[in-house]
Amino acid sequence: KNEVEQSPQNLTAQEGEFITINCSYSVGISALHWLQQHPGGGIVSLFMLSSGKKKHGRLIATINIQEKHSSLHITASHPRDSAVYICAVRGTDKLIFGTGTRLQVFP
Amino acid sequence: EAQVTQNPRYLITVTGKKLTVTCSQNMNHEYMSWYRQDPGLGLRQIYYSMNVEVTDKGDVPEGYKVSRKEKRNFPLILESPSPNQTSLYFCASSRMGIAGLSYEQYFGPGTRLTVT
Repeated sequence: KNEVEQSPQNLTAQEGEFITINCSYSVGISALHWLQQHPGGGIVSLFMLSSGKKKHGRLIATINIQEKHSSLHITASHPRDSAVYICAVRGTDKLIFGTGTRLQVFP
Repeated sequence: EAQVTQNPRYLITVTGKKLTVTCSQNMNHEYMSWYRQDPGLGLRQIYYSMNVEVTDKGDVPEGYKVSRKEKRNFPLILESPSPNQTSLYFCASSRMGIAGLSYEQYFGPGTRLTVT
């Protein structure tokens, strides 16, 4: 069993839909990262959080440390949100990555 | 502009021919790391460095070498590449906090390597 599990693996949505991507982990962590990888391959950091909730534009990330679970929400989804979203958990000196959720948003 | 650069971006080579992928960051970050990304396996750490002359193995170090002689550079060396090293490689850097890796990571654009 992977230390970081994401669900779903693939997700399609219509423009405007509310989207949720989940991440569960089995190890002790000091923080959790959400990353976005566009079709061209580049990786961008969206959030780093260790408790509670963070919001940036239409993106919201939450984490429940007790339940070892995090969610990434996208409100009013748009085709430009189409990407792979990767959850990564951080120990002291390294990141452990989930395998990613591929999101496609259709007009 | 704060950035992590990698070169080359694309490389096709043959088995056994030594190669180096360069990585450089202009943010004075202490922490640098190399990852490989393969379909179905996600990103896996190859090597990392917490400062100059300090390097350590990640999860998949076999067949790779690194060095950290300067803070800004962290090259990845494949002494004798093999086809199973065909992959997409990312370099990343980050500040280090008191409690370790406390800040977000900045990723390079990736290097797509094919070994035939």
